[in-house]
Formats: sequence, structure tokens, C-alpha cells
Amino acid sequence: DTAVSQTPKYLVTQMGNDKSIKCEQNLGHDTMYWYKQDSKKFLKIMFSYNNKELIINETVPNRFSPKSPDKAHLNLHINSLELGDSAVYFCASSQEGTGGKGYTFGSGTRLTVV
Amino acid sequence: DAKTTQPTSMDCAEGRAANLPCNHSTISGNEYVYWYRQIHSQGPQYIIHGLKNNETNEMASLIITEDRKSSTLILPHATLRDTAVYYCIVRNQAGTALIFGKGTTLSVSS
Repeated sequence: DTAVSQTPKYLVTQMGNDKSIKCEQNLGHDTMYWYKQDSKKFLKIMFSYNNKELIINETVPNRFSPKSPDKAHLNLHINSLELGDSAVYFCASSQEGTGGKGYTFGSGTRLTVV
Repeated sequence: DAKTTQPTSMDCAEGRAANLPCNHSTISGNEYVYWYRQIHSQGPQYIIHGLKNNETNEMASLIITEDRKSSTLILPHATLRDTAVYYCIVRNQAGTALIFGKGTTLSVSS
């Protein structure tokens, strides 16, 4: 069983479209995250979310919105896609109290906007 | 969280030890040093962490200087599969999301 799974693995879409990336974790973790890795390979936090609060990186456009139907899922919705949104998006999860060692990452979703 | 400085890239011969340095001169007393790595096209993977004592696990060893201003990750017998970007991250136990810097690209060659 994959601990943190993302779907789809690859996503090619046209500018202006709306798309979603799904993330599920079966680790029982209480916090989930979305990271973006651009073409320069910088890995940047976009959101962190647990059942108490959503923390948004202020640099993330409001076209991006995380949605969590339950503790095990954190989906990423992107509206009006732009060329600059092309990147690899990683979902991750962790358990409060485990510090920085307990992060588990998914295998990534490569989004290409054409 | 304290800032870290790592060399951009390093090379290592297969079978030799890879020693990856990290400077964190502004580290505070309650901050840990964490190491993650990202193998090409995969998500980052936890390697090891420490507070002030040296640590060893099945993957690597972590040496932290007595003043805690720098540390070294040691892969004792590097293999081709250790080729990856290695990230040194400093944060406290209750910090928010992991913040990644530019890391060190380690290339292991035969």
C-alpha cells in the first residue's frame, strides 16, 4: 500500500482550464501539505492543513485552493490555469509531535499547461 | 527557522564515503538538524536528524559540531542510487511545514 498517493501522475491541459489533483494518505497523519517544484527544482510549500487550520503561503495565487473532504485526503484545485503553473506538485503528510522527521511525500504530479 | 548553507554540488566515487556539509550558524537551542534527499522525479525522503549528539541509522551518520553551527551528513559507502539532491533543514519540533533550501546535488559515479 502506498502511504501517500497522488493522482494523476501526469496532467497535460490547456491554459484557462480548471483542474484538480487528488492526494490520499493511509498513515493516519493529522496534517497534510502541498508543495510545488518548478523547473529550477526549488521545492516550495504552498499549503499546510490539519483539522484545525489552513496555513497558506502568501505567495500562492488564490486560483489555487486546497479542499479536504476528510482527514485522509487533501485535494488541490486550480482555476484558470496559466503557463507558469507548469511544475511538479507534491503532496505530503505528517503527524503532529513527530517534528521534522515524520514527513512522507507522494511521488508527485507533473502538470504541464500548454 | 534558522537558515542553512550547503554547497551547490558534490561528486563522489562509488564505494567511497560521501561527506555533505551544512552550515547553520544561526541555529537556536531548540532547533533540530534534519536531512532529506530527493532522488530524481521522486518525493523527498527523510534520512536522519539530530539535536546535538551524533546520530547514526541504517542510511547515514550525522555529525554535529559542538557549537552546533554546522553539521555533516555521511553516507559511508556511496552507491549510484545515492545520486540525489540532499537537503539540510533546521527547525524546531513544533515548527510548521518543512522549508527546503536549494540543497546539494550529489553525483555518485563508478
